[in-house]
Amino acid sequence: EVQLVESGGGLVQPGRSLRLSCAASGFTFDEYAMHWVRQAPGKGLEWVSGITWNSNTIDYADSVKGRFTISRDNAKNSLYLQLNSLRAEDTALYYCAKDIWVGTPRFAFDIWGQGTMVTVSS
Amino acid sequence: QSALTQPRSVSGSPGQSVTISCTGNSSDVGGYNYVSWYQQHPGKAPKFMIYDVTKRPSGVPHRFSGSKSGNTASLTISGLQADDEADYYCCSYAGSYTSVFGGGTRLTVL
Repeated sequence: EVQLVESGGGLVQPGRSLRLSCAASGFTFDEYAMHWVRQAPGKGLEWVSGITWNSNTIDYADSVKGRFTISRDNAKNSLYLQLNSLRAEDTALYYCAKDIWVGTPRFAFDIWGQGTMVTVSS
Repeated sequence: QSALTQPRSVSGSPGQSVTISCTGNSSDVGGYNYVSWYQQHPGKAPKFMIYDVTKRPSGVPHRFSGSKSGNTASLTISGLQADDEADYYCCSYAGSYTSVFGGGTRLTVL
């Protein structure tokens, strides 16, 4: 079964850091680009960051650029998101999502995890 | 990276058709044929419904179809069913290895 399982969320104070993980199974992880998408409570989806299969190309939404860092470990079938300098507006459910296309990303997300909740509050 | 514009809500009766629009600009929707659509039921993860503007993944009913004209993409759902009631989001490649979602549309089946 193709599956993505996120972990690492929690309650954190403003200005602190958190590291999210996404464990992949059921597909050849190192062939696909991967992405993080978030959803604030009661709000819509927001693309956060993406990384190619070989980590050669990475980018971020303007709202998190300079504070968040995406990475992957293909040997461990895992995707990560390091969240630094957290703000209240970063409070959201963070999903990891698989790109549909082998190799070059298509920016369409066919497999989603169930998400991990990040709450930024003092 | 401004969010794509979607109507906040649409509605239709069972058996009818509804269309949800998604408006961007020449840097996203109008510039690439990489528009996708997602269905999200309350408390659930999004479900992949349409990609490359018009293509349906396996398992998605033919009642769901996508199209694009200029800077506006559309999702049409025909033969509305009760289970179609959900939030729908469009998404477009926006260049420079970034992506942008629409604000979402709540579909109500009357």
